[in-house]
Amino acid sequence: GAVVSQHPSWVICKSGTSVKIECRSLDFQATTMFWYRQFPKQSLMLMATSNEGSKATYEQGVEKDKFLINHASLTLSTLTVTSAHPEDSSFYICSARDRGNQPQHFGDGTRLSIL
Amino acid sequence: QQQVKQSPQSLIVQKGGISIINCAYENTAFDYFPWYQQFPGKGPALLIAIRPDVSEKKEGRFTISFNKSAKQFSLHIMDSQPGDSATYFCAASKPINKFYFGSGTKLNVKP
Repeated sequence: GAVVSQHPSWVICKSGTSVKIECRSLDFQATTMFWYRQFPKQSLMLMATSNEGSKATYEQGVEKDKFLINHASLTLSTLTVTSAHPEDSSFYICSARDRGNQPQHFGDGTRLSIL
Repeated sequence: QQQVKQSPQSLIVQKGGISIINCAYENTAFDYFPWYQQFPGKGPALLIAIRPDVSEKKEGRFTISFNKSAKQFSLHIMDSQPGDSATYFCAASKPINKFYFGSGTKLNVKP
């Protein structure tokens, strides 16, 4: 149980394009989803927290206009990297939490490479 | 300010040995302390978690020891296997709140 699916697992695109990453909870309702960014050999850096039906809460220093988050249903959240540039290249990971439960369950991440 | 401090940064253990990773925190409002295992190119997977009303929790070869007064908790991997080679992250959170992750420990179990 508690499976989180993230898609795509790997994407390469040209500078200036927008990229959408999907995060789905497959067997539970995710009232809260989190989006992280991870640089090589580093820890997870929380970008934003989203609750179903509400606007996302962004961490300090994260550009909300660049990283658009939508959590329109209890099983789906999306992260759109707008006008992506090479410095946005990274490993993006989502996690989801069920109502009232503490554990976060993570997807397998998306490797984003901007050329 | 780093909310959770994790050590060591890397660890080499012989097969069959005990791997020990330590974490320390400052915020006494934290009430949930999970450990995650991450393999290269994959997302973190929940290993085991503990709450501060318990001093120890064991699941298979994995044990969390929790010292509330010292504000420290540790992960012990008994009978370490090469398949345990991965990066381990501790975390802490307040009730139904975001996680504060440690910096990670890369474990290498030698055959």
